[in-house]
Amino acid sequence: IAGITQAPTSQILAAGRRMTLRCTQDMRHNAMYWYRQDLGLGLRLIHYSNTAGTTGKGEVPDGYSVSRANTDDFPLTLASAVPSQTSVYFCASSDSYEDPGGYTFGSGTRLTVV
Amino acid sequence: AQKVTQAQTEISVVEKEDVTLDCVYETRDTTYYLFWYKQPPSGELVFLIRRNSFDEQNEISGRYSWNFQKSTSSFNFTITASQVVDSAVYFCALSELGGNTDKLIFGTGTRLQVFP
Repeated sequence: IAGITQAPTSQILAAGRRMTLRCTQDMRHNAMYWYRQDLGLGLRLIHYSNTAGTTGKGEVPDGYSVSRANTDDFPLTLASAVPSQTSVYFCASSDSYEDPGGYTFGSGTRLTVV
Repeated sequence: AQKVTQAQTEISVVEKEDVTLDCVYETRDTTYYLFWYKQPPSGELVFLIRRNSFDEQNEISGRYSWNFQKSTSSFNFTITASQVVDSAVYFCALSELGGNTDKLIFGTGTRLQVFP
């Protein structure tokens, strides 16, 4: 089934540790995104990539980094986790040319930093 | 700057009632898209509708309808004869139009609870 796979599903992480959230799509979409969802704040864009080899900062990029080495993969790295990064993280992809805004979302990663 | 406001944090209705979810947006762009997404209790996010700024026609899809008014910068969503399965968080979102980027700006969401 075509879609987005996120891993892990959930994680408890000690503050100060490094963590990479994985995201893989099989739809050959050009654009990929990372959002975090927090109660009362909705979904906020962390980083995005319009095409393989390019990335950009969203609304809340501090403490996070991304890479887009190929079309399918878009990992999100927390270099040194802090409790304020406790959140649900959603990866999404879209064909921004043919279907702008028609995001396909992954099922999310629930991260708790303690 | 672009902004989406969903003033209703939570709405509770009884099954078969009609309910309208409000969405007000701000943008300096003359061309843009508006969206609604649904997040049921299972947590996944589901695309519901996209409208572009050139098309102010209202849209109806079954029990769902959307009212887009540029004059008031609003894109409201009405569910007719609500059902328990409509219980979810609904997000309104805004993006620039087309090209190689379609970053979405989401509102904070409205939690709809439909009771039997």
